[in-house]
Amino acid sequence: NAGVTQTPKFQVLKTGQSMTLQCAQDMNHNSMYWYRQDPGMGLRLIYYSASEGTTDKGEVPNGYNVSRLNKREFSLRLESAAPSQTSVYFCASISRRDFTGELFFGEGSRLTVL
Amino acid sequence: AQSVTQLGSHVSVSEGALVLLRCNYSSSVPPYLFWYVQYPNQGLQLLLKYTTGATLVKGINGFEAEFKKSETSFHLTKPSAHMSDAAEYFCAVTHRGRTGANNLFFGTGTRLTVIP
Repeated sequence: NAGVTQTPKFQVLKTGQSMTLQCAQDMNHNSMYWYRQDPGMGLRLIYYSASEGTTDKGEVPNGYNVSRLNKREFSLRLESAAPSQTSVYFCASISRRDFTGELFFGEGSRLTVL
Repeated sequence: AQSVTQLGSHVSVSEGALVLLRCNYSSSVPPYLFWYVQYPNQGLQLLLKYTTGATLVKGINGFEAEFKKSETSFHLTKPSAHMSDAAEYFCAVTHRGRTGANNLFFGTGTRLTVIP
């Protein structure tokens, strides 16, 4: 089973460029999440989609947009990248949004903005 | 609002020694509590969780944690450390978002080093 798949795994951008991080899960999960991980700050929630057709802001949404394309896919877009967005990004999914199940993570996408 | 505090960003133990990683939470309602582990260059994976029922929870790889409501704690322990336990560990608590959906709120992490 593939689980949660993120692409790309590595990306280098220049300030002002745009890009989209792709995430797909094959577990028929309802809820999907985008986190960023920075040293000493743990994981912070950027955006989430509690169910297909809905999205909402997390703790640190500024500078990002998301699209829940269908039940499987949840993409994260940086419209105008800034050095402060240099981070490791994780996509995650869970079957039930009450968290009685397990949150499954992708392997991460390492983004550097110069 | 829910929050999680992990005491000690780095913990070192000798192989075979007790592992104790501390986690305290603040929550206005009984939370669900989790421990996740992250090995280098990988995503996070679930070690164990507390939702309801027995307050002592056993997880994978010999880890366990005890939910103590009076102390608002959920410390992670393992009786005897193994070299393969070297990783970063995250405590997490459920948090109800603005739309009413639950989210997971993570602590800042504790990096465990195991000394041979």
